[in-house]
Amino acid sequence: KQEVTQIPAALSVPEGENLVLNCSFTDSAIYNLQWFRQDPGKGLTSLLLIQSSQREQTSGRLNASLDKSSGRSTLYIAASQPGDSATYLCAVVEYNFNKFYFGSGTKLNVKP
Amino acid sequence: DVKVTQSSRYLVKRTGEKVFLECVQDMDHENMFWYRQDPGLGLRLIYFSYDVKMKEKGDIPEGYSVSREKKERFSLILESASTNQTSMYLCASSPPGTSGHNEQFFGPGTRLTVL
Repeated sequence: KQEVTQIPAALSVPEGENLVLNCSFTDSAIYNLQWFRQDPGKGLTSLLLIQSSQREQTSGRLNASLDKSSGRSTLYIAASQPGDSATYLCAVVEYNFNKFYFGSGTKLNVKP
Repeated sequence: DVKVTQSSRYLVKRTGEKVFLECVQDMDHENMFWYRQDPGLGLRLIYFSYDVKMKEKGDIPEGYSVSREKKERFSLILESASTNQTSMYLCASSPPGTSGHNEQFFGPGTRLTVL
């Protein structure tokens, strides 16, 4: 069974720092990988989707990379801001297309 | 913009009540999902549906049932609510995997408390 791990579980950084969040998965036969943001008490907001044939995707200050062979993805956040404080989750989809496997998330706190 | 809406943000019910959670999406997505999210346990899939009237059990279907009579609407039913079903319930939808771009979109969540 696919297992998705996110390290660290929590991260606190000063405003302005560049930072990297990690996501690893045990079965490399994935169809795509998606990064989400979740604010306290709210639903998940999609940030980036990387297809298995892609190596990275960018949106504004966010850059996500995917290395299928090693079972890893990273989410890079440039010039962090207090508004980036949230929990970030990654999820992988396997080739049966319908089931998403989620990591437990990294809780990010960006201090002013 | 894709929109997934859930019928209630907060709900308080009593043990033994039958509870309906409604989810509606406006993007004509084939796939719809129900998850629950609990501290320390992350997101767990309860049920998903890949077409009208079609459903498949997720990881924790016990105590729940679902209904999908129309493409845009996916309902989660707690037949007899229990205190251990107190949780945040999240609905999501996505295009089919064969579309090549099955990005998943979530609703705002329903915080259910069972007393």
